[in-house]
Amino acid sequence: GQQVMQIPQYQHVQEGEDFTTYCNSSTTLSNIQWYKQRPGGHPVFLIQLVKSGEVKKQKRLTFQFGEAKKNSSLHITATQTTDVGTYFCAGVPEKTSYDKVIFGPGTSLSVIP
Amino acid sequence: DAGVIQSPRHEVTEMGQEVTLRCKPISGHDYLFWYRQTMMRGLELLIYFNNNVPIDDSGMPEDRFSAKMPNASFSTLKIQPSEPRDSAVYFCASSDGTAFGSDTQYFGPGTRLTVL
Repeated sequence: GQQVMQIPQYQHVQEGEDFTTYCNSSTTLSNIQWYKQRPGGHPVFLIQLVKSGEVKKQKRLTFQFGEAKKNSSLHITATQTTDVGTYFCAGVPEKTSYDKVIFGPGTSLSVIP
Repeated sequence: DAGVIQSPRHEVTEMGQEVTLRCKPISGHDYLFWYRQTMMRGLELLIYFNNNVPIDDSGMPEDRFSAKMPNASFSTLKIQPSEPRDSAVYFCASSDGTAFGSDTQYFGPGTRLTVL
């Protein structure tokens, strides 16, 4: 079946270090979304990427959608303690009902002050 | 807008009891999703509705789980009878899927269910 995987599962970084999480799909995606879930909270939408090779930035966060539209990455520059949480990617497979979003297992980020 | 509203926020019950979780989606959203989140299995899609009609319930674990959406502003997820392995956080989410690129899902605060 269609799967969305993420690596790493966990990441511990020193405050100020960079962080990257990678998302890979078994099928081509029509778009990909990223969500952040703080400990004890609920997933919150961060951004959506639609075009092949698209790159979007939100302050210290850089999101990229692969040329083949099967992978994506989220890069955080100079992490802060407020970045702590689990980052999920969620893909919408091509040629399927576009409302069927498949979530990855998430990458849990810990930031050591 | 108040966002997606879920109740109760916490539920503790005993094995064998019936549990009903409630959700009010964002007004105007056509899609409603129920998820379950555990440490072991992550975020799992249980069922989703479009215009109050169940579209895909393949994620519902077994017949003990049922979901309804009697109108555009209310949905329930029922577990009967509940078992300890049902303990999890249950999220409801809604989205406005009326145009391509508008698939963003807005999650409610979740219901933390503990079955003893």
